[in-house]
Amino acid sequence: DQQVKQNSPSLSVQEGRISILNCDYTNSMFDYFLWYKKYPAEGPTFLISISSIKDKNEDGRFTVFLNKSAKHLSLHIVPSQPGDSAVYFCAAKRFITTSGTYKYIFGTGTRLKVLA
Amino acid sequence: GAVVSQHPSWVICKSGTSVKIECRSLDFQATTMFWYRQFPKQSLMLMATSNEGSKATYEQGVEKDKFLINHASLTLSTLTVTSAHPEDSSFYICSARDVWGGDEKLFFGSGTQLSVL
Repeated sequence: DQQVKQNSPSLSVQEGRISILNCDYTNSMFDYFLWYKKYPAEGPTFLISISSIKDKNEDGRFTVFLNKSAKHLSLHIVPSQPGDSAVYFCAAKRFITTSGTYKYIFGTGTRLKVLA
Repeated sequence: GAVVSQHPSWVICKSGTSVKIECRSLDFQATTMFWYRQFPKQSLMLMATSNEGSKATYEQGVEKDKFLINHASLTLSTLTVTSAHPEDSSFYICSARDVWGGDEKLFFGSGTQLSVL
């Protein structure tokens, strides 16, 4: 059961344009969402996050939008740069009452390629 | 930003041996660390949640006796792959949860590529 989905496995964008990466989730218990960038054979690098009580968070070129009713979030990168080419993962967090711990579930990733 | 150090970066071992992977939070205390596994071109799969001073919480399908997790301090968690077999070959990544000023982030180590011959 894939609770966090990124339906686009890949995306190509021209340098300077906007990159929009999408993520859908099924569990309404998720209360925090994060976006990560990952290069092969490296650990993911944190980009930006958003709490479920907000609908937008902005940090430089990166903006995350959250639509709770649609269980959908998106990452906007403006302007896109060739160095942004990587795999992007969204992640969702929820508290597990039975164990008293938190769990972060990752999407399947979207490979972004920014063309010079 | 916060740094999570993971060692070794890569390891090659013979089938039947055990391999220990260390994950350290360098500039913050992490009561909770997570261990993930990633197969080529796939997502990060949560293996277990490591809680400081208590037993790890394993995900369904992950063998507790095979993947031993110890979180002895607020800055160190270890994953030991016991009696490794070729099917255990994978990319293992640890992460640590940092909460600061109501904001929270999950920081990752650089990963360990395990190859079992």
